[in-house]
Amino acid sequence: EDQVTQSPEALRLQEGESSSLNCSYTVSGLRGLFWYRQDPGKGPEFLFTLYSAGEEKEKERLKATLTKKESFLHITAPKPEDSATYLCAVQGGYSSASKIIFGSGTRLSIRP
Amino acid sequence: EAGVTQFPSHSVIEKGQTVTLRCDPISGHDNLYWYRRVMGKEIKFLLHFVKESKQDESGMPNNRFLAERTGGTYSTLKVQPAELEDSGVYFCASSQGTGLIYGYTFGSGTRLTVV
Repeated sequence: EDQVTQSPEALRLQEGESSSLNCSYTVSGLRGLFWYRQDPGKGPEFLFTLYSAGEEKEKERLKATLTKKESFLHITAPKPEDSATYLCAVQGGYSSASKIIFGSGTRLSIRP
Repeated sequence: EAGVTQFPSHSVIEKGQTVTLRCDPISGHDNLYWYRRVMGKEIKFLLHFVKESKQDESGMPNNRFLAERTGGTYSTLKVQPAELEDSGVYFCASSQGTGLIYGYTFGSGTRLTVV
């Protein structure tokens, strides 16, 4: 069964303090691994899709990497506006092409 | 470009009543999805429309839930009769193609509370 586990559940950082969020996954035939950002009272907002091990993508202070078992979301010199819940999700090739499987998320809080 | 619109944003109903949630996808997006998050759990898939056809409804919890997408535009999700365990946030999303390249665009969700 496809599964996504994220750690830590919550992370508090000082502004400028870099760190990484982890996403471990089990999926039959990975078609894509997604990172989303979710602010309170809003729906998830798409950040990246990674397709194969070794791939990296960057957006501002965020960089996502992918291995065969894990993905990391690296946050470099974060600012308070980076505070949000970050969700990892996978889409498997052998399950329905319709659904993506979400992890429970990491709540990131950046203190000024 | 207008985003995905959902309403109502909040709904509080009594157990046994009926509630209908509505989703307006981004214009031109043939793919429309319903997901939900119940308290303390992950966001989970409910179903997927391609235009007006149900492509996959494997995530629908039971026959108290009925989704429609007449004319391939907006979609409704009806819960009848509502039970306490149906409480949660219901998200609608739409995508261009499968959503692999550009991701899904989610609405802000409808928070449903059954009392």
